[in-house]
Amino acid sequence: DGGITQSPKYLFRKEGQNVTLSCEQNLNHDAMYWYRQDPGQGLRLIYYSQIVNDFQKGDIAEGYSVSREKKESFPLTVTSAQKNPTAFYLCASSIDRGGGPEQFFGPGTRLTVL
Amino acid sequence: GQNIDQPTEMTATEGAIVQINCTYQTSGFNGLFWYQQHAGEAPTFLSYNVLDGLEEKGRFSSFLSRSKGYSYLLLKELQMKDSASYLCAGRRGGKLQFGAGTQVVVTP
Repeated sequence: DGGITQSPKYLFRKEGQNVTLSCEQNLNHDAMYWYRQDPGQGLRLIYYSQIVNDFQKGDIAEGYSVSREKKESFPLTVTSAQKNPTAFYLCASSIDRGGGPEQFFGPGTRLTVL
Repeated sequence: GQNIDQPTEMTATEGAIVQINCTYQTSGFNGLFWYQQHAGEAPTFLSYNVLDGLEEKGRFSSFLSRSKGYSYLLLKELQMKDSASYLCAGRRGGKLQFGAGTQVVVTP
């Protein structure tokens, strides 16, 4: 089955540790995205990539880093510089660089920093 | 700016109709999406409007007026499983900007 996988579903880390969230897609989509969602809020864009080996900052990139070495993979690292990292993280992909017609989402990773 | 505004919560009875409004500043967006999100899950795509008018898909319909910066999602024949958050999102180039979501509560 084609889709987007994120692992793990729940992740706990101690304050001050870097952590990497996995996102893999087998939809052959060009574009991939990372969002953060806090309780009662919409999705905020962290980083996005429209092609392999290229990515751009979204609205809240500070404290995060990404790489796009392969078309199917777009891992997100939450660094110790991120002041409030506890959140629900969603990865998405779309078929083309225009972001459309729609973005498909993975199941999400809920990160809790203790 | 491209702020997207939608009501925080709406309550309706099973079998009824609910209309969720979404307003945005008109500059920059070239398409309007609606997603459904159940608690703790990923958003799922419902509809996409790029031209003015009504798009109907089963029990769900979406309307767009680009000149007014206005869209709505219409949910008909409400079912209990429709209790969820509904996200409005505007597209600008390769990115989506999301509203905060409208929590719809369906009561028996």
